[in-house]
Amino acid sequence: AQSVTQPDIHITVSEGASLELRCNYSYGATPYLFWYVQSPGQGLQLLLKYFSGDTLVQGIKGFEAEFKRSQSSFNLRKPSVHWSDAAEYFCAVGAGGSYIPTFGRGTSLIVHP
Amino acid sequence: EPEVTQTPSHQVTQMGQEVILRCVPISNHLYFYWYRQILGQKVEFLVSFYNNEISEKSEIFDDQFSVERPDGSNFTLKIRSTKLEDSAMYFCASSAPGLASYNEQFFGPGTRLTVL
Repeated sequence: AQSVTQPDIHITVSEGASLELRCNYSYGATPYLFWYVQSPGQGLQLLLKYFSGDTLVQGIKGFEAEFKRSQSSFNLRKPSVHWSDAAEYFCAVGAGGSYIPTFGRGTSLIVHP
Repeated sequence: EPEVTQTPSHQVTQMGQEVILRCVPISNHLYFYWYRQILGQKVEFLVSFYNNEISEKSEIFDDQFSVERPDGSNFTLKIRSTKLEDSAMYFCASSAPGLASYNEQFFGPGTRLTVL
């Protein structure tokens, strides 16, 4: 079965700084990979996904992620963080014929002014 | 923009009581899901529902849980006899019909269930 690890429970950055959130997955074949964001009081919103093709994926709100098969990673990046990016970020992996994602425990992003 | 809604936003109940969590999926969606997130833990899949029947469920979704689409708009999750460990945030999601390609799941804001 597939699994996801998000090693950082909390990340604190200053507004305008760059951001990288880590995600490692475990799955025997090429996975489907996702990043979701959850703002306070909101549902989970899909930021971006990877299925195949270009390993650098662009998403909404200026986010991107890079699939690195050799490292089993799918890290999320943003060059300049805004205060409104403060939220909980979830990495997820889907596999096989099921499109039900398996989620990581999430990383809470705190943005200092 | 269409969105998934959930009611109530917070439900407090006594252990052993039945609760029904309600969701209104996006109107043209045909796949429906429930997930839960115990505080500080991962978001976990519970069940998926399509064409008026369960299409997939996790080991968490035992006989205490049931889902129903009682009318054309609501999708409910019932917990028959709540336990303390059922305290969690419950998310509903829906997705549009599709064949081989993945269809994005749209999530509601969640219902926080507290069992006392």
